[in-house]
Formats: sequence, structure tokens, C-alpha cells
Amino acid sequence: DAKTTQPPSMDCAEGRAANLPCNHSTISGNEYVYWYRQIHSQGPQYIIHGLKNNETNEMASLIITEDRKSSTLILPHATLRDTAVYYCIVRPHNQAGTALIFGKGTTLSVSS
Amino acid sequence: DAGVTQSPTHLIKTRGQQVTLRCSPKSGHDTVSWYQQALGQGPQFIFQYYEEEERQRGNFPDRFSGHQFPNYSSELNVNALLLGDSALYLCASSFEGVGETQYFGPGTRLLVL
Repeated sequence: DAKTTQPPSMDCAEGRAANLPCNHSTISGNEYVYWYRQIHSQGPQYIIHGLKNNETNEMASLIITEDRKSSTLILPHATLRDTAVYYCIVRPHNQAGTALIFGKGTTLSVSS
Repeated sequence: DAGVTQSPTHLIKTRGQQVTLRCSPKSGHDTVSWYQQALGQGPQFIFQYYEEEERQRGNFPDRFSGHQFPNYSSELNVNALLLGDSALYLCASSFEGVGETQYFGPGTRLLVL
């Protein structure tokens, strides 16, 4: 079973920041938080991952709470093309053979 | 730099038949994982191949089997197809030595009639 809890859906206006929450209260010390998104009928797209520090790349920012029990993915200026299902996954990093365990994710709808 | 590629994109089979799906990993990657995604659900892990061996397996029956070739490409075989095998089949590749972030291909849509 997935070790994360996400809201089933969220709405965001185009141009505004989209903040997607994820709870992972049972996360272990060696587990990273990964985010993927899946646009309709396409393969999941890797977005970002982190351990305990905040991370930023060209797609998004990842904010992880100090106790590591929750995190937030931030899309700073959402566009219509960001409409997708967003998956938050926790898994060990640098551990061979570890599968990704997907939950149902959050469906983000960006509207104009 | 080519990403993960899969073939075919779509496939229609009938119950009882066998199917083979193919995956070429991203350049520089040596590990291939396969996932099944039913409609409205998140992807479910089938198995992972590394060094031409099955390294980890999810909760799928023996009807699902795979292979990895010396060039790191991989095949997923499903025997005795059931209606419930209709799904999007996803391949993901990663590099064993660097954090194992998995990158997905576009998937193969299988419909079993």
C-alpha cells in the first residue's frame, strides 16, 4: 500500500501558484519523497525528489516539513498544461531494486 | 538523447492469447521496471530487471514474465490473457549507480476482448 495521503482533487487558476500537499507520517529515515505527474494517457513524468531540505528545479519546488511527516509540491505559475494527476511517493534512495508504490494521487485542474 | 521508448503503442488481443510488449531504456540506463495501470488507478509494480535477471517482483501471477537483453532493453510477456489484463503497461528505466530515479516511457495500451 502507498505510504502517502493526498487530496483527491484540487483546482488552480492559471498563473497562480499551485500548492499540492502530501502526508507521509510513517516515512523512514532513509526514504526520500518523490513527485511524479501523469498527463492523461501518458507515462508518469518525474518532477522532483528530496530528503529533508527544500529542493527546487526548473519545474517545481518541494518543501518538506522539519519532522518530514508532510511535504508540499509548489508549481509557482501554473499553466493549463500543468493539468494532470500528481503522485507523491516515498521510497528509499540509492537502494537497489526498490519499486515505486503509487497511490491515487491528486488530480490538479488548472483553469483560465 | 532519446528517452524511454515502448512498442507497440496500442494492442488489441482476445482472451487466452499471449502478448509481448517491448521497452528500450533511456540512454545510459541499465535497469528496467514494468508497471500495470488499470483505468482510474495508479500504476502497480510488476517486476524489475537488472543484469538480465528479475530482481524484484510485485503481486502478479506467473502469467506475467519478462526478459532483459544484453543491450538493457526488455520485454514483458503475458500468457493466457484475461479481460482484466486490459490496462496501460508502463516501462521505466533507471541507472543502478545514481539514485535510481525512474523515468517512464509513454506506455502500451492493451485491450483484451
